[in-house]
Amino acid sequence: DIQMTQSPSTLSTSVGDKVTITCRASQSIGTWLAWYQQKPGKAPKLLIYKASTLKSGVPSRFSGSGSGTEFTLTISSLQPDDFATYYCQHYNTYPALTFGGGTKVEIK
Amino acid sequence: QVQLVQSGPEVKKPGASVKVSCKVYGNTLSGLSMHWVRQTPGKGLEWMGGLDPEAEETIFAQTFQGRVSVTEDTATDTAYLELTRLKPEDTAVYYCATHHELEGFDPWGQGTLVTVSS
Repeated sequence: DIQMTQSPSTLSTSVGDKVTITCRASQSIGTWLAWYQQKPGKAPKLLIYKASTLKSGVPSRFSGSGSGTEFTLTISSLQPDDFATYYCQHYNTYPALTFGGGTKVEIK
Repeated sequence: QVQLVQSGPEVKKPGASVKVSCKVYGNTLSGLSMHWVRQTPGKGLEWMGGLDPEAEETIFAQTFQGRVSVTEDTATDTAYLELTRLKPEDTAVYYCATHHELEGFDPWGQGTLVTVSS
């Protein structure tokens, strides 16, 4: 099975900061990677798919990059609404639609 | 716009079974690839299984094989997840989500909390 490893697990940061989250796959997955945002008590929401394509309606301060085994999610200037947990997911190879362990972005 | 609405919270005893429903609004179930994901308390997301449209069969993560089944009622556009032989560690929020092969999981249901306790 493909394993997805995110780092860091927790990020303490401030409004206005640039945030970078990394996701590594145990084998090459091309660009079949999605990023989700989850707030407490809510379902995850799709932010980015195909490693770098922003879902319609998602603010442009979010961006994704990478291919193969290493990927990043960047928030260019963190806003109060962005404090949440972020997950990466490989979504194109059955039965390994695996999620990363999550990165909690919290207020410093 | 597709919306997924799940059934309410459940409390079950160890060894029992639970069936969670996910009703589709804004589309027909037959046009979607429905998947199930669970999230244990304080932990991350775990893919359980769902429809592989190319293989035309439901695929499950090995962790759940033998205990999980997924059914669909196209007359009511409702998908069901059944998990049997429940254990306390199955206590989790269970989500349905639509899988788009090119885009990932979107949208998601609101989640159903299943508590397993004696």
